[in-house]
Amino acid sequence: EPEVTQTPSHQVTQMGQEVILRCVPISNHLYFYWYRQILGQKVEFLVSFYNNEISEKSEIFDDQFSVERPDGSNFTLKIRSTKLEDSAMYFCASRHASGGKWTGELFFGEGSRLTVL
Amino acid sequence: GQQLNQSPQSMFIQEGEDVSMNCTSSSIFNTWLWYKQDPGEGPVLLIALYKAGELTSNGRLTAQFGITRKDSFLNISASIPSDVGIYFCAGGGISSGSARQLTFGSGTQLTVLP
Repeated sequence: EPEVTQTPSHQVTQMGQEVILRCVPISNHLYFYWYRQILGQKVEFLVSFYNNEISEKSEIFDDQFSVERPDGSNFTLKIRSTKLEDSAMYFCASRHASGGKWTGELFFGEGSRLTVL
Repeated sequence: GQQLNQSPQSMFIQEGEDVSMNCTSSSIFNTWLWYKQDPGEGPVLLIALYKAGELTSNGRLTAQFGITRKDSFLNISASIPSDVGIYFCAGGGISSGSARQLTFGSGTQLTVLP
């Protein structure tokens, strides 16, 4: 069964360093998302991406964050200068477009745990 | 932004018991979904609901999309140990032309005691 894959599974970094989290969405999906989950808290929306541009972003997704689809398979989240409060599990998700109908079914990867020291 | 209130926050039940959890919102959603998250993993979709009033089952799971489109519940019947995890409700927005991100509830931590 196709799945969303994410790397790395865990990254430890020093405050102020740049981090890139990588995702390979399901191959025929057209909408891509990043969510984050601070330990013990709910899953929070960061950004959605469609047709090679950001569609929506939350207030969490400030200028330190950027996303890119550098090729036909990868979808990346970059944090330019990490802060302590960026420590969280970051989930990539994707969904299929179905004739414009909102199916709502996001498929999530297993997450990348980011620890900022 | 849209907020979902999910309750209860946690539940401890005996194996074999039925479980019920729900989500409410002050906003209308077009879609309600229920996800389960196991430790160290991403959320996995359990049930998706697309129409107000819809009642959908998936094995021992039953979920309903509230008629007002502002709430949903999830029932688990005859719980088993592998039901342990965090259950999240999620609402999909109604704005057209957007990528329609999901808003998640705060989760219900379910513990099943043998």
